[in-house]
Amino acid sequence: KNQVEQSPQSLIILEGKNCTLQCNYTVSPFSNLRWYKQDTGRGPVSLTIMTFSENTKSNGRYTATLDADTKQSSLHITASQLSDSASYICVVTEFYIPTFGRGTSLIVHP
Amino acid sequence: GAVVSQHPSWVICKSGTSVKIECRSLDFQATTMFWYRQFPKQSLMLMATSNEGSKATYEQGVEKDKFLINHASLTLSTLTVTSAHPEDSSFYICSARPDRDGRALHFGNGTRLTVT
Repeated sequence: KNQVEQSPQSLIILEGKNCTLQCNYTVSPFSNLRWYKQDTGRGPVSLTIMTFSENTKSNGRYTATLDADTKQSSLHITASQLSDSASYICVVTEFYIPTFGRGTSLIVHP
Repeated sequence: GAVVSQHPSWVICKSGTSVKIECRSLDFQATTMFWYRQFPKQSLMLMATSNEGSKATYEQGVEKDKFLINHASLTLSTLTVTSAHPEDSSFYICSARPDRDGRALHFGNGTRLTVT
């Protein structure tokens, strides 16, 4: 069964600090990997999307990396802001079928 | 950018009644849309895959007679929760996959359903 595991489950950091979220997957064959940000009570918003051949993708203070050999991805957030507090969801797609991770809940404290 | 409009954003209904939730892709066509359910502090759980012009595909454990899905056009899918019960109270989210870019997946803002 295809799986997407995210860690940590939750994370608390101080404003201005950096953090890294992890995503490990067993989905195969692999089409693409996406990171989404979901604010409480809202729908997920796409941050990055990477295909098999891409190792890194940036979107402002968000940088995603992908190691297709080890089936691992990370999302690095630089200089965190209070508005970064949200759930971050990793989605791995096999052909056109997405598999969702459980998400990492990030809380940024002032 | 691509926009998916979900309506209503919240609804309160009495036990035993039915509720319809709409998911519209505003500026793109989507043959395939997805419906999810999300409980507090949990990730999205896929309920069903909605395909325009054909029957929806339901995930294991999801009652198709309770959660009716209609995908009548390339820009609209609806989810009807029939004979709602308090345990159906949840956050329901839809997503749409643009026909022009199969890699993308755009989400609606969700519908908070409370059944009293």
